[in-house]
Amino acid sequence: DIQMTQSPSTLSASVGDRVTITCRASQSISNWLAWYQQKPGKAPKLLIYKASSLESGVPSRFSGSGSGTAFTLTISSLQPDDFATYYCQQYNNYSWTFGQGTKVEIK
Amino acid sequence: QLQLQESGPGLVKPSETLSLTCTVSGGSISSSDYYWGWIRQPPGKGLEWIGTIYYSGSTHYNPSLKSRVTISLDTSKNQFSLKLSSVTAADTAVYYCARVDGPYDYWGQGTLVTVSS
Repeated sequence: DIQMTQSPSTLSASVGDRVTITCRASQSISNWLAWYQQKPGKAPKLLIYKASSLESGVPSRFSGSGSGTAFTLTISSLQPDDFATYYCQQYNNYSWTFGQGTKVEIK
Repeated sequence: QLQLQESGPGLVKPSETLSLTCTVSGGSISSSDYYWGWIRQPPGKGLEWIGTIYYSGSTHYNPSLKSRVTISLDTSKNQFSLKLSSVTAADTAVYYCARVDGPYDYWGQGTLVTVSS
């Protein structure tokens, strides 16, 4: 099984900050990596797919990078609507595994 | 616009079988372009992939749940279903259905299933 490890688990930041979340896979997944945003009581929302492709309608302040086993999600300038929990997910070889999540809190 | 809606009992007794249905509107589950999947989230915890099904009926399950999970299609109703047997309190979670286009691009709103006697 492919394991996904996110860091940090919690991140405290202010509006306007640049925020980076890291995700590591236990083995190479090429670029089969997605990022989701989840707010309390809501279903996750797809932000990024194929490691760096922005889903339609997602603000350009969100970006993703990486390949192989190391990936990052960056929010260039944190907005009030961005305080949420973020999950990475690998979708390689007919298995889908999520990271444990990163909660972005107001500092 | 594609929409997915989960339905089923909100309370299941320990050792029994949890059964949920996902009704898809605005698109066909018979499309060869997509898979369809189930994901769950225990209260206050992270997301867990349960399993995925293709229009042909081909399935892929999380190895940790494989012995207890069955996912099936009903193309006449444009629905797909989840059955999870021998449930325990650890199976208490919000259960989501989703369309799979590599990642999960459309999600249902989720339904809370509590396992308790």
